[in-house]
Amino acid sequence: DAKTTQPTSMDCAEGRAANLPCNHSTISGNEYVYWYRQIHSQGPQYIIHGLKNNETNEMASLIITEDRKSSTLILPHATLRDTAVYYCIVRVITGTASKLTFGTGTRLQVTL
Amino acid sequence: DAGITQSPRHKVTETGTPVTLRCHQTENHRYMYWYRQDPGHGLRLIHYSYGVKDTDKGEVSDGYSVSRSKTEDFLLTLESATSSQTSVYFCAISEPRTSGSLYTQYFGPGTRLTVL
Repeated sequence: DAKTTQPTSMDCAEGRAANLPCNHSTISGNEYVYWYRQIHSQGPQYIIHGLKNNETNEMASLIITEDRKSSTLILPHATLRDTAVYYCIVRVITGTASKLTFGTGTRLQVTL
Repeated sequence: DAGITQSPRHKVTETGTPVTLRCHQTENHRYMYWYRQDPGHGLRLIHYSYGVKDTDKGEVSDGYSVSRSKTEDFLLTLESATSSQTSVYFCAISEPRTSGSLYTQYFGPGTRLTVL
């Protein structure tokens, strides 16, 4: 699986867009990019995933560069409840294997 | 909410005692997982199951065993608890319907275990 690099921490003002970058320069063609977050003391929460195209759901947008070497998770209007650790994970699909490896993530602090 | 519950939510036990944690799901998901989370280590996979009686080891399986005798329950057992097993334990489920959703996992609320 490709290694990912994320900033350790970021700040964002409430109501503004939060843009969380992830570098995965060694990604291969059959690897998906997944984003999860973990709010303090809770279990991780799935946000979004993508392969090549940009994706959007009710929680966030995922922008993947054309060369797929990096991606950005966008929370369009951050609120205080979005304060959490955000994990970018790259995973190859290998039949029944479905193990996730979480790194240290980006700690996003949303402030007033 | 993927219908996942964990019990107990908190437990304090003594070194050398057996401990069983239960993960229960109500939606017939095929895959179930046990992770532990410790400061400085993030989440690490202990064991996972891909069906009734079908289980496999994760990256930190030593000292743990699992059982899945029915779809809805996945049990994690510490045969003889040690202080190094003090941690927060999370259960997760997934039900891959497309290749891309294979790693879409939904997590339970966690069990905080303290081994004295």
